[in-house]
Amino acid sequence: SQQGEEDPQALSIQEGENATMNCSYKTSINNLQWYRQNSGRGLVHLILIRSNEREKHSGRLRVTLDTSKKSSSLLITASRAADTASYFCATRNRDDKIIFGKGTRLHILP
Amino acid sequence: DGGITQSPKYLFRKEGQNVTLSCEQNLNHDAMYWYRQDPGQGLRLIYYSQIVNDFQKGDIAEGYSVSREKKESFPLTVTSAQKNPTAFYLCATSGTYSSGANVLTFGAGSRLTVL
Repeated sequence: SQQGEEDPQALSIQEGENATMNCSYKTSINNLQWYRQNSGRGLVHLILIRSNEREKHSGRLRVTLDTSKKSSSLLITASRAADTASYFCATRNRDDKIIFGKGTRLHILP
Repeated sequence: DGGITQSPKYLFRKEGQNVTLSCEQNLNHDAMYWYRQDPGQGLRLIYYSQIVNDFQKGDIAEGYSVSREKKESFPLTVTSAQKNPTAFYLCATSGTYSSGANVLTFGAGSRLTVL
């Protein structure tokens, strides 16, 4: 079964605005990762946050993790047209099983 | 795509035929994964392998088989028992959790269409 569930399923915003996506998961994890996928391509890793971390930054990306609520959020600031893609969260267990959510389709409007 | 080669990129199959998708990596990663993606959907784990000659079922292993005879290779066979095999198949690799290398690197994918 899917471990992560992203919310919203789809998001359209104006260029320059911030985009926030949320992810919920069901079991204990060692880390949570966010990936990006352009249409018809493989996924590309964006950022990883460990279970003992609460917030992490990388360029225009900010990820938070709340293990008590089993949830994470990905914030993309000052969005650009090139950010249009699908974004997925993935959780990893100690047995190396990595499970993805259904993703959020982000569309940046010019 | 980062040292992972998936082939073929596109594959057409008649119902009742088995097909094998190739995944080769030169990243020296121990763990390899196969995921299935349906249109507009997320990735579902089919099989994964942490070490040569060993693999585990994922969430949707029925109708699929794998082998891991070499560290570099993790082929996926879609058998005739798979009821709805038309999908986009993604192979990925990673170091193992114990090695501290947690991030997946993906291949470009193979699109299988059953006619």
